Amino acid sequence: QKEVEQNSGPLSVPEGAIASLNCTYSDRGSQSFFWYRQYSGKSPELIMFIYSNGDKEDGRFTAQLNKASQYVSLLIRDSQPSDSATYLCAPRNSYGKLTFGQGTILTVHP
Amino acid sequence: DVKVTQSSRYLVKRTGEKVFLECVQDMDHENMFWYRQDPGLGLRLIYFSYDVKMKEKGDIPEGYSVSREKKERFSLILESASTNQTSMYLCASSLEVSVTYSYEQYFGPGTRLTVT
Repeated sequence: QKEVEQNSGPLSVPEGAIASLNCTYSDRGSQSFFWYRQYSGKSPELIMFIYSNGDKEDGRFTAQLNKASQYVSLLIRDSQPSDSATYLCAPRNSYGKLTFGQGTILTVHP
Repeated sequence: DVKVTQSSRYLVKRTGEKVFLECVQDMDHENMFWYRQDPGLGLRLIYFSYDVKMKEKGDIPEGYSVSREKKERFSLILESASTNQTSMYLCASSLEVSVTYSYEQYFGPGTRLTVT
């Protein structure tokens, strides 16, 4: 079993729709969870992080965490073509180490 | 403004050469990291450092070593480059880990290394 698994892509959604990105992790010691976005040929940039069970909203982005199910997700509302990128899920352990999933490629088509 | 720089964007080396990848951050961060990124495998941690002269192995340290003589600089060394080390190498830095707050890792632009 992989330490971090993300829904296999690519994921294609129409402009204006909600994109749902999922991630499961195996390390129950994970304390916080990061979502990074990576455009083709660029380095990852942080979208948001979450460390408490429940939802956390930031603009069009909502992260959801369920530690009992070892599940974290990212919802993107009103998806735009500029959201087309690879999204990386990364749980963090108590030593600050991030373990990255393989990423989900999202394409938002007009 | 946050800034992590890497010495080269593209590098081509021959098998058996010793390769140095340099990373510099100007944010006074304690933690620095080296990853490699390969299609289908995602980002994998090679080494990290939480203080000057301190280093810890990541998930795939074999064939690599690191050096951190100054707080702002973290070097990745390939002692004898091999073709399976052809990859994108990403450096990152962050503030010290806190129990109550999660500090993000800031990434450099990456170095695409090709070993022929």
